[in-house]
Amino acid sequence: GENVEQHPSTLSVQEGDSAVIKCTYSDSASNYFPWYKQELGKRPQLIIDIRSNVGEKKDQRIAVTLNKTAKHFSLHITETQPEDSAVYFCAAQPPGNQFYFGTGTSLTVIP
Amino acid sequence: ETGVTQTPRHLVMGMTNKKSLKCEQHLGHNAMYWYKQSAKKPLELMFVYNFKEQTENNSVPSRFSPECPNSSHLFLHLHTLQPEDSALYLCASSQQYTTGGYEQYFGPGTRLTVT
Repeated sequence: GENVEQHPSTLSVQEGDSAVIKCTYSDSASNYFPWYKQELGKRPQLIIDIRSNVGEKKDQRIAVTLNKTAKHFSLHITETQPEDSAVYFCAAQPPGNQFYFGTGTSLTVIP
Repeated sequence: ETGVTQTPRHLVMGMTNKKSLKCEQHLGHNAMYWYKQSAKKPLELMFVYNFKEQTENNSVPSRFSPECPNSSHLFLHLHTLQPEDSALYLCASSQQYTTGGYEQYFGPGTRLTVT
C-alpha cells in the first residue's frame, strides 16, 4: 500500500519568514495530494490540494509543488503570520477510497 | 446544518460500558471514514465505507464496530474499551470516483475518555 512520510515534525519560524513542509509517497498510482491544517482543538481543514497532472498550485500565501518523478510534494507558506501556527498534514490518495496521511508538522510562527 | 456533524462531542465511559458515536454528512458524498487521532500521533484510518459498503478495515480491534445504514450516516459502536482507546475520533466524508477523489471534509470529532 501507499506510504507517506512527512518532514519536519516540528518547525519554528519568525513571523514574515517562509515555511516549507515536505512529503514523500511510495505509490506512483497516487493522483491526489491534499494538505490539511488543524488548529488546536479543531477539525482538520483543507488548505490546498494538487492533482498529478499539475506541477504547482498557488493560493495567495500558500503554494504546493509536486514532483511525480521523485514522488514528493511540498507545502510552501510565505510571509507567515501567528495565525498560521497549527499542525499541517499531507496526504496522498491512489485510485480508490483510502487517503494516506503523513505524520504531521507542528508549525509555530514566532511574533 | 451543513457539512459533517458528530455527536456526542465529548464522551466519558467505563471499560464495561457500551456506547455509540454518530456521524452525519449533509454534502451528498458517497464515502465516509472513521479516524482515530491520539495525542502526538498521526491520523489512523479505522474504517472506510463507499455507498454503504465497507471497503477498508485497518486491523481494528473488534471492540470497535462500524455501521453505515445509508450514505449519510455512520456509526461507531463501542464496547469493553481499554484506556488506550482514549482519543479524538474523527469522521470524514468525500466524493470518490474509480479514477480518484476529492477532498475529505472532517467532522468536529468526539473526544473519548475511557476510565
